[in-house]
Amino acid sequence: ETGVTQSPTHLIKTRGQQVTLRCSSQSGHNTVSWYQQALGQGPQFIFQYYREEENGRGNFPPRFSGLQFPNYSSELNVNALELDDSALYLCASSPGDYDQETQYFGPGTRLLVL
Amino acid sequence: GEDVEQSLFLSVREGDSSVINCTYTDSSSTYLYWYKQEPGAGLQLLTYIFSNMDMKQDQRLTVLLNKKDKHLSLRIADTQTGDSAIYFCAVSLTGGGNKLTFGTGTQLKVEL
Repeated sequence: ETGVTQSPTHLIKTRGQQVTLRCSSQSGHNTVSWYQQALGQGPQFIFQYYREEENGRGNFPPRFSGLQFPNYSSELNVNALELDDSALYLCASSPGDYDQETQYFGPGTRLLVL
Repeated sequence: GEDVEQSLFLSVREGDSSVINCTYTDSSSTYLYWYKQEPGAGLQLLTYIFSNMDMKQDQRLTVLLNKKDKHLSLRIADTQTGDSAIYFCAVSLTGGGNKLTFGTGTQLKVEL
């Protein structure tokens, strides 16, 4: 049990739609990172937020965006969904006080785009 | 960018030792992690090693790091059926702000 929760657990959307995924971090964790895990692959870094500001971004297009809120919750938004966006989306939180810290992962949201 | 490679499958008998290997490309990798993922679940941190260490032991788990060859391994002693899962190697870079680069994962199957 990592103390990180995600909602919903599963989601089905159609191509072109928009989706919002939610993550609730451990209290006191100022950093949240989002990862995309396609079937049979390792997770890929999407972006990271620290104290509500974006703090690094992976190789994902601008239609992937995020928000972090003061209550340690965060969102991943994906616009204009494509079939290849079907994946498990994981969020991970850490205190954010140091450059290298243990990250705690949530159980993920499995998104299917039809 | 950083590239992390793992073999795809490993099959062992219950009670034997398992060794899962990982290679990476960026020598500025600072922390190196092993995560476990069971079917339908998120990632569970098993252990990690700092780049100035050669070895770390944590109960049944032993991590070996060869910085010269950029090779990381995870040894699981007395492997049990409950160890069947996918194991991911992940690395973070100095100044990388905790961004992790993961390998493709090694599926460990433990047979009776």
